[in-house]
Amino acid sequence: KAGVTQTPRYLIKTRGQQVTLSCSPISGHRSVSWYQQTPGQGLQFLFEYFSETQRNKGNFPGRFSGRQFSNSRSEMNVSTLELGDSALYLCASSLRGPYYEQYFGPGTRLTVT
Amino acid sequence: KQEVTQIPAALSVPEGENLVLNCSFTDSAIYNLQWFRQDPGKGLTSLLLIQSSQREQTSGRLNASLDKSSGRSTLYIAASQPGDSATYLCAVRLQGGSEKLVFGKGTKLTVNP
Repeated sequence: KAGVTQTPRYLIKTRGQQVTLSCSPISGHRSVSWYQQTPGQGLQFLFEYFSETQRNKGNFPGRFSGRQFSNSRSEMNVSTLELGDSALYLCASSLRGPYYEQYFGPGTRLTVT
Repeated sequence: KQEVTQIPAALSVPEGENLVLNCSFTDSAIYNLQWFRQDPGKGLTSLLLIQSSQREQTSGRLNASLDKSSGRSTLYIAASQPGDSATYLCAVRLQGGSEKLVFGKGTKLTVNP
């Protein structure tokens, strides 16, 4: 069974631009969550999607948004990029519920210059 | 607000040593606790998932324990090998229906040949 895939793996953008990252969950998983990882803050929860609906959102500005499609693939978008948005963006998929493990993708490394 | 702490932040041991990594959390209202491994620049690999009703889980040379009432978990690694060198992260899943994980900042383990 294929794992969680994320594209692209690396991105370099300029301040003020916008970026879209993609995540394909494990087949059969309908829950997708996104995290931002930085050296200073560690892993921080961005948002969670299930059945094309955002179920929970972390404490990030409105520049960070996401969506989920009917095939459970998810995208996150960051508009008006700032230098502080440079991070590893990770997505995780699971069978939704408290008894299931979450599986992470390899991440997208975003560098904002 | 749930806070997860991992001590020590870094650990260096000789090959073959048994070792313990610690994780503590402030709110015992959790569904489960998950241990992950992260290699430099890579995504997270799930190691063990312990439900709140369980005391421990084992996988190969790894054993994780959970004491929910005291807000503590340990990850025991037996007969460490250089290939175990990585950052180990623990994360708790909060009660309340969300898939959100709250992460510690990790312990960076180096196993010297």
